[in-house]
Amino acid sequence: EAQVTQNPRYLITVTGKKLTVTCSQNMNHEYMSWYRQDPGLGLRQIYYSMNVEVTDKGDVPEGYKVSRKEKRNFPLILESPSPNQTSLYFCASSQSREVRGTQYFGPGTRLLVL
Amino acid sequence: GNSVTQMEGPVTLSEEAFLTINCTYTATGYPSLFWYVQYPGEGLQLLLKATKADDKGSNKGFEATYRKETTSFHLEKGSVQVSDSAVYFCALSVGALSGSARQLTFGSGTQLTVLP
Repeated sequence: EAQVTQNPRYLITVTGKKLTVTCSQNMNHEYMSWYRQDPGLGLRQIYYSMNVEVTDKGDVPEGYKVSRKEKRNFPLILESPSPNQTSLYFCASSQSREVRGTQYFGPGTRLLVL
Repeated sequence: GNSVTQMEGPVTLSEEAFLTINCTYTATGYPSLFWYVQYPGEGLQLLLKATKADDKGSNKGFEATYRKETTSFHLEKGSVQVSDSAVYFCALSVGALSGSARQLTFGSGTQLTVLP
């Protein structure tokens, strides 16, 4: 089954404790992206990757890091989480040569930073 | 820059009622337009899309027409069901066919609740 998976689905942590949210897709997609979803703001892009070893900032990159060492994986790293990073996070992927913008989303990771 | 404005929710309707969720956009370039749906506890799923002016996207009884003259992409359904309860996001994408680096700009979402 074609899918995007994220782990963990739920996470409670404390300020300053480094964490990683994993994202993996099995569709051989070139493009991957991270979004955060906050009430009244919709989804905002954090980082994206056009291909292996190619990453760039989205609209709200501060406080986040990413890496793309393999095509299928795109982890999101919070080196020193803060309460304003409490949010619902979505990973997405697409085959960049498809019709523009058709992205496939993971189930989401709900993060609470105390 | 690019932006998407959706009607504010929440929207509550009775089963079999007519649904309209308004969406307008501003974009540099010539965007493709999308509606995504998010069911409770799940990720977003593409509901429908339109890639050029006057195109109509349709799926599961939902429709939306790309209106370039009014920069709009309103979502409609003639008869909603309880199972349509979800959050609906309008989105746009601007970029070359080979794939824009910044592919999707989302609206803030509209919560729809359908009562039996």
